[in-house]
Amino acid sequence: DAMVIQNPRYQVTQFGKPVTLSCSQTLNHNVMYWYQQKSSQAPKLLFHYYDKDFNNEADTPDNFQSRRPNTSFCFLDIRSPGLGDAAMYLCATSRDGAPQYFGAGTRLSVL
Amino acid sequence: AQSVAQPEDQVNVAEGNPLTVKCTYSVSGNPYLFWYVQYPNRGLQFLLKYITGDNLVKGSYGFEAEFNKSQTSFHLKKPSALVSDSALYFCAVRDRGTGRRALTFGSGTRLQVQP
Repeated sequence: DAMVIQNPRYQVTQFGKPVTLSCSQTLNHNVMYWYQQKSSQAPKLLFHYYDKDFNNEADTPDNFQSRRPNTSFCFLDIRSPGLGDAAMYLCATSRDGAPQYFGAGTRLSVL
Repeated sequence: AQSVAQPEDQVNVAEGNPLTVKCTYSVSGNPYLFWYVQYPNRGLQFLLKYITGDNLVKGSYGFEAEFNKSQTSFHLKKPSALVSDSALYFCAVRDRGTGRRALTFGSGTRLQVQP
């Protein structure tokens, strides 16, 4: 059974139209991460939540925001998607030093 | 700063032959090291990890990796490759000394196993 679930699997949006990607987990892990992956490159960390504490990477654009309303759910909001934001977005969870468990990803297309 | 290098973009091996996917790392403290596999249009799947203890780590699907502190390497190996092992492999590191929780990934190595 999937433990980290990302919805939708494929998302198409228009240039500049806000979009939200969702992630849920059944592992009760306290840390949730969002990564961006382009064209089979290395996943790049955007930000993560340690419990309720939000930790942004220094080079994450302001266009990217995140919400974590409870332990199980985490959202990635892209306020004004550009063509360069088309990518696979991966959600992951962990309990501190434990391996990160990844969802299947959401592939975002921007038209 | 922590970093990972995967020097080979692609590794080709015949089915039944042993395979090695190389990884070297750089951290300021002691590392946590991981290998993940990614199939097309899928998320990453955890294969194995090194935290402490025995330098030879055994993981899923017959894969293993050897931690070599003096060479700062963590190469992924399998004694006998399968066609179904063809995928993209990522090495990742977390520096235990910095308190940084997130993983830093290498650029990935595409493994192609020929029948």
